Amino acid sequence: GAVVSQHPSRVICKSGTSVKIECRSLDFQATTMFWYRQFPKQSLMLMATSNEGSKATYEQGVEKDKFLINHASLTLSTLTVTSAHPEDSSFYICSATRGQNTEAFFGQGTRLTVV
Amino acid sequence: GNSVTQMEGPVTLSEEAFLTINCTYTATGYPSLFWYVQYPGEGLQLLLKATKADDKGSNKGFEATYRKETTSFHLEKGSVQVSDSAVYFCALSGGTSYGKLTFGQGTILTVHP
Repeated sequence: GAVVSQHPSRVICKSGTSVKIECRSLDFQATTMFWYRQFPKQSLMLMATSNEGSKATYEQGVEKDKFLINHASLTLSTLTVTSAHPEDSSFYICSATRGQNTEAFFGQGTRLTVV
Repeated sequence: GNSVTQMEGPVTLSEEAFLTINCTYTATGYPSLFWYVQYPGEGLQLLLKATKADDKGSNKGFEATYRKETTSFHLEKGSVQVSDSAVYFCALSGGTSYGKLTFGQGTILTVHP
């Protein structure tokens, strides 16, 4: 299967700073990437969908100025949590697909802790 | 909107026991249904899928049948192994993108020798 790599796997940052999380498709071109957030003992919630070269589409209730998504190439999407606060602490997971009706491949996730 | 409800866990079984993890869904139209598995320290992996009513998805001894009449997609395995210990997620895709998924809450499965 295809490989999606997420970096970093864990990050601790101070309140008020920004954190960037990278999602890379290592052996395929990802036309679309997705960002999810998972709270403890809860399901994964879709935050946004990003297509290469265009603006991300955010789900209702997700602050686009807070969670900046850039999909600059067919193999890289980034999520930047701006002015992070403790309530942003969570597990963030990305996934990527080659196109419609194709399997989604997931990264290993990033554990963000804001102190 | 779309939603997925999964059986509460955690589930603890002995090796070779029969496994069922219930999953029901609410969706408009004709969603595609998936089971994903997350092994410790790893990302989610697609376990099986079904794209239309009465389809049966199967992989690694696991199977699930798309039941439109009961809006269910229960996961079953006849004889679990210790290596099946993981978190299992039921999910649906409402459109043509298999990446835009609505997930259930996940079920932790632990299999003891």
